[in-house]
Amino acid sequence: AQKITQTQPGMFVQEKEAVTLDCTYDTSDPSYGLFWYKQPSSGEMIFLIYQGSYDQQNATEGRYSLNFQKARKSANLVISASQLGDSAMYFCAMRESLSGSARQLTFGSGTQLTVLP
Amino acid sequence: DAGITQSPRHKVTETGTPVTLRCHQTENHRYMYWYRQDPGHGLRLIHYSYGVKDTDKGEVSDGYSVSRSKTEDFLLTLESATSSQTSVYFCAISTVQGGLQETQYFGPGTRLLVL
Repeated sequence: AQKITQTQPGMFVQEKEAVTLDCTYDTSDPSYGLFWYKQPSSGEMIFLIYQGSYDQQNATEGRYSLNFQKARKSANLVISASQLGDSAMYFCAMRESLSGSARQLTFGSGTQLTVLP
Repeated sequence: DAGITQSPRHKVTETGTPVTLRCHQTENHRYMYWYRQDPGHGLRLIHYSYGVKDTDKGEVSDGYSVSRSKTEDFLLTLESATSSQTSVYFCAISTVQGGLQETQYFGPGTRLLVL
């Protein structure tokens, strides 16, 4: 089974509107961290936001917030007031505490967001 | 900017030839990673290192080897390149803060085409 599922291959949003990018995850580990990365067309991977499984509040970073629903195993990224520069591929990723010395991240397949003027 | 560079940034090679990709970091991070990115798969871990001469396999390690003889350099080698290894390769470092919040930062990527 996929550990990270991003069901929206592509999304469109009007400039200045808010948009939600979906991410569901699968783990039996009680301790885990969830990350979102942005990949613009230039190709680099940019860290956006982090949410820990024990965090009581939803994470926020500027216009980015994470809608964390632990019981539903979802960690959706909300981008408020979309800008043209937000057009990019967005990846959800997870680290489980049982990943051992690797500390590796497991990534979803991504959502391509296009912001329309 | 986590001070990560990758070289070369682009490479075209032929099937059966050896290829080495280099990742260089300037901030003395202990953990380094090699991922590959393919359409529909996100990023998948190839190998990682947790110190000089300490390396281990990731999810998709077949056909790849790595070496880390000094802290700042992590090399990925394709011993005999195949067309299935055409991909974008990302190096990453981990900021070891302890705990799950430890964040990985990525280099600019290397585009490899195997003909």
